[in-house]
Amino acid sequence: GAVVSQHPSWVICKSGTSVKIECRSLDFQATTMFWYRQFPKQSLMLMATSNEGSKATYEQGVEKDKFLINHASLTLSTLTVTSAHPEDSSFYICSAREPYGYEQYFGPGTRLTVT
Amino acid sequence: KQEVTQIPAALSVPEGENLVLNCSFTDSAIYNLQWFRQDPGKGLTSLLLIQSSQREQTSGRLNASLDKSSGRSTLYIAASQPGDSATYLCAVGGNYGGSQGNLIFGKGTKLSVKP
Repeated sequence: GAVVSQHPSWVICKSGTSVKIECRSLDFQATTMFWYRQFPKQSLMLMATSNEGSKATYEQGVEKDKFLINHASLTLSTLTVTSAHPEDSSFYICSAREPYGYEQYFGPGTRLTVT
Repeated sequence: KQEVTQIPAALSVPEGENLVLNCSFTDSAIYNLQWFRQDPGKGLTSLLLIQSSQREQTSGRLNASLDKSSGRSTLYIAASQPGDSATYLCAVGGNYGGSQGNLIFGKGTKLSVKP
């Protein structure tokens, strides 16, 4: 089956620093990748959609200058949380979709804690 | 605006019981509906994907139904086991937000199966 990995699985950083999270599709090419955020006891909320080779599309209320997304290849998308603050602490999950497909394959998630 | 609701929010049953989890959505114009399992602090495991033209899907002890016109789906779990304890998420796929095939998630049902 389609496998998506994320790195790191957890990270702790100090307020004001930047953190990069990687999302990789291991055995398929993903023209589209999605980034979600999940706060405790809440459901997943879509942050942005990234298509390989083009700019990401951000959902309403998500700051594009704070959450930088790069989808430079068909197997890798990165999310950089810039100038992180404690309120950015959350569980970040990515998913990837094959060309011409609708099913999304999810990564294991990254737990970000900003102190 | 698509909204997904899952009832109940939490459910506790003794081992061996059959159970039903409910999901409802407000906009019937969906591409598909997907059920996921999420263990604490972990990513998502896809359980069943039902395309909009389908009525149900089965995998082992799991059966998911879809009634698109009424905006409802159910996940039936037969002969529940303690290992089934997890949060079950329902998500609908459609044209939402920034791109096609986005998923809108419910808040989940937290299932606990007691030995």
